Amino acid sequence: GENVEQHPSTLSVQEGDSAVIKCTYSDSASNYFPWYKQELGKRPQLIIDIRSNVGEKKDQRIAVTLNKTAKHFSLHITETQPEDSAVYFCAASKAGSNSGYALNFGKGTSLLVTP
Amino acid sequence: GAGVSQSPSNKVTEKGKDVELRCDPISGHTALYWYRQSLGQGLEFLIYFQGNSAPDKSGLPSDRFSAERTGGSVSTLTIQRTQQEDSAVYLCASSDRDRAGNTIYFGEGSWLTVV
Repeated sequence: GENVEQHPSTLSVQEGDSAVIKCTYSDSASNYFPWYKQELGKRPQLIIDIRSNVGEKKDQRIAVTLNKTAKHFSLHITETQPEDSAVYFCAASKAGSNSGYALNFGKGTSLLVTP
Repeated sequence: GAGVSQSPSNKVTEKGKDVELRCDPISGHTALYWYRQSLGQGLEFLIYFQGNSAPDKSGLPSDRFSAERTGGSVSTLTIQRTQQEDSAVYLCASSDRDRAGNTIYFGEGSWLTVV
């Protein structure tokens, strides 16, 4: 099955700096790559996603890039703010599996933005 | 409803007892997923329901775990003879018209502690 690796597991940046989280996936048939943010004690919530027919997508301070050849995708957060502190999960899914479009998650990156 | 609803939000049970966790998906969502999140860990896929199709149970960790979905809506995850390693947050999620790129929405989770 799909195996999603995520790095780093923890990341500490100063407010205003950029943060980059990287993920790799194993199944070349995966075609949908969302990113979820989970604040302490809260549910994971979608912040941005990208499909396999697009190489990059941006939403204000957040951007995601996808390299299908290398099977990796990255989350970029610019001008980080303390409220960006959370655990971020990357995920991948594909058509045709028995699990429908169940997401295969990375193990998460704990981001800390210090003032 | 406005979102995915789960109950109970917290459950403490004695080792060896059975527990039932309930999920009420967003109205109209045909795809329903159960994930497990152990403390500080990623999101582990457990089971998937789509409409009237047979569920994909490939992620269930043992035969002590089972789930059903009645009437294509509410789902119950049952853990029999609970063990301490079952302690985790059990997250339910749903999505509309199972296809790639549909956002999967999570509930707040049921925090299970086995003592």
